[in-house]
Amino acid sequence: GAGVSQSPSNKVTEKGKDVELRCDPISGHTALYWYRQSLGQGLEFLIYFQGNSAPDKSGLPSDRFSAERTGGSVSTLTIQRTQQEDSAVYLCASSFRGGTGGEGTEAFFGQGTRLTVV
Amino acid sequence: DAKTTQPNSMESNEEEPVHLPCNHSTISGTDYIHWYRQLPSQGPEYVIHGLTSNVNNRMASLAIAEDRKSSTLILHRATLRDAAVYYCILRDTNAGKSTFGDGTTLTVKP
Repeated sequence: GAGVSQSPSNKVTEKGKDVELRCDPISGHTALYWYRQSLGQGLEFLIYFQGNSAPDKSGLPSDRFSAERTGGSVSTLTIQRTQQEDSAVYLCASSFRGGTGGEGTEAFFGQGTRLTVV
Repeated sequence: DAKTTQPNSMESNEEEPVHLPCNHSTISGTDYIHWYRQLPSQGPEYVIHGLTSNVNNRMASLAIAEDRKSSTLILHRATLRDAAVYYCILRDTNAGKSTFGDGTTLTVKP
């Protein structure tokens, strides 16, 4: 597709249930990022995939959160035993390459998945 | 991670220039300065980035201080569509851990 696609766009789940959020990055982009944004707040880094390297998971808030990226393309963020504090917009982004900056590192974001835990 | 500091909010009149400041006094020599903006109910959108020299693109200009401890995003003629939250971030050696902070909420008045 032309941009980063996330699904579902909205998800309402009951406390204690597991949820899976999907991200389709831009074709050919080697770097993929997940962020979380609570209402009225800035973006909180969750996890970063770069090519075949081990992902940087240092932003995951607890062991209930996990993510994988299959075949260097699609990524799934899984939240187990959801809690009300997990309610937020989960944003995925991709860039042509990773690294500190410079050409090709600008990130393109999806529209996000709004997760509501009731 | 190197942090950035931005004013919480700014106002501008339509068709006037806007200068959005960002302080990053702990920037390291290899950190690039990236700017993104987020319109209401949308994901962030890349605006511009630079390392040492000033940069121009179709959206904006980026002026970087000589000591690199601050930068300014310049919108040459603000439009109502430019109303958004503007984030200044540093891409450090752990590039995925870019810290967005709370950004500057720009209001554009007609």
